[in-house]
Amino acid sequence: AQSVSQHNHHVILSEAASLELGCNYSYGGTVNLFWYVQYPGQHLQLLLKYFSGDPLVKGIKGFEAEFIKSKFSFNLRKPSVQWSDTAEYFCAVGSNTGNQFYFGTGTSLTVIP
Amino acid sequence: EAGVAQSPRYKIIEKRQSVAFWCNPISGHATLYWYQQILGQGPKLLIQFQNNGVVDDSQLPKDRFSAERLKGVDSTLKIQPAKLEDSAVYLCASSRTGGLLQPQHFGDGTRLSIL
Repeated sequence: AQSVSQHNHHVILSEAASLELGCNYSYGGTVNLFWYVQYPGQHLQLLLKYFSGDPLVKGIKGFEAEFIKSKFSFNLRKPSVQWSDTAEYFCAVGSNTGNQFYFGTGTSLTVIP
Repeated sequence: EAGVAQSPRYKIIEKRQSVAFWCNPISGHATLYWYQQILGQGPKLLIQFQNNGVVDDSQLPKDRFSAERLKGVDSTLKIQPAKLEDSAVYLCASSRTGGLLQPQHFGDGTRLSIL
């Protein structure tokens, strides 16, 4: 069975600090990887996704993630966070058949102005 | 475009009672999903519809949960009877075409509390 681990449950950063949120997955086949974000009072929305090709993918609002197959990781990064990045971030993995989808437990990010 | 609509936003019931949630996906979206999100956990996929057919319901506790999408648009998720461990936020999502690999658009969810 697939699983997704997000080791950082709660991260607190000051504005302009760099961000890296960890995501590790467990799956024996080809995977497709996602980061979703939930801003306070809003619904979940897609931040970025990786299916194949360049392992460094760029998403909205300056976020990027790197797929490292050997480490089963898909960490989310942003060079300089803003107060508006305060949100819950979820890593997710989908099977290549498209009928299995698993979210991690989420990381709560608080950015202090 | 209008987003995914869910109702009610909140529901409080006693254990062993029944409850139903409603979802209206984004217009034109063929695929609809129901997720359960227990406090402190990520969303867990319960069931996936493609139009009015079930694609996958392997994680739906079928002894008490049921879902339908009769006309391929709106969907309802029912719990009967409810247990304390069903307390969670129930999220509905939709995507334009088939498959969980497409971007999913989520509703605001229904927060269910079981007393």
